Amino acid sequence: DAGVIQSPRHEVTEMGQEVTLRCKPISGHDYLFWYRQTMMRGLELLIYFNNNVPIDDSGMPEDRFSAKMPNASFSTLKIQPSEPRDSAVYFCASSLAGGEQFFGPGTRLTVL
Amino acid sequence: GENVEQHPSTLSVQEGDSAVIKCTYSDSASNYFPWYKQELGKRPQLIIDIRSNVGEKKDQRIAVTLNKTAKHFSLHITETQPEDSAVYFCAAGLNTGFQKLVFGTGTRLLVSP
Repeated sequence: DAGVIQSPRHEVTEMGQEVTLRCKPISGHDYLFWYRQTMMRGLELLIYFNNNVPIDDSGMPEDRFSAKMPNASFSTLKIQPSEPRDSAVYFCASSLAGGEQFFGPGTRLTVL
Repeated sequence: GENVEQHPSTLSVQEGDSAVIKCTYSDSASNYFPWYKQELGKRPQLIIDIRSNVGEKKDQRIAVTLNKTAKHFSLHITETQPEDSAVYFCAAGLNTGFQKLVFGTGTRLLVSP
């Protein structure tokens, strides 16, 4: 298996623009997690899905952030409009039945 | 909600020495405690985990101990090697099928040859 796949790996955008991050979980995994990593706040769970259904989005910082999982093999995290303080590395992870979480390579987002 | 504190934030050791990283958690209901290693520019990867029905777990040069009464758990690395240099994260969560994890702030371990 190729592992969790994320795209793009790097994204540089200007304040106010819409940003869409993409994730393909490991085939067969039923949980998908979105994390944000910054120097100041470390690794924070933003939202997670079970069988494509959002279970807990209490970590989503504000309404500018939204996440979807239209099917078992694809999820998006969207920021609209983006702000400089959104600059971070965003990780997607997946797991099977609550087992080990496998992280993707991350998307480094820079908002100018 | 759960809160996880991790110490130290940085740790420098000589090759061959032991390294110990400590974490405390606040929610007594937490029962799953994984440790992740993140090399520079890479993704976090699970290196060892422990569940609350176990007090200690070993895997070659790494071991984790858990004290549920005191709500703290530790990572022990023996005979450290330069390739152990990385940031290590502890986490706590409920392993009831979904593993909502709360991570510590990380420890940067530097092993000097």
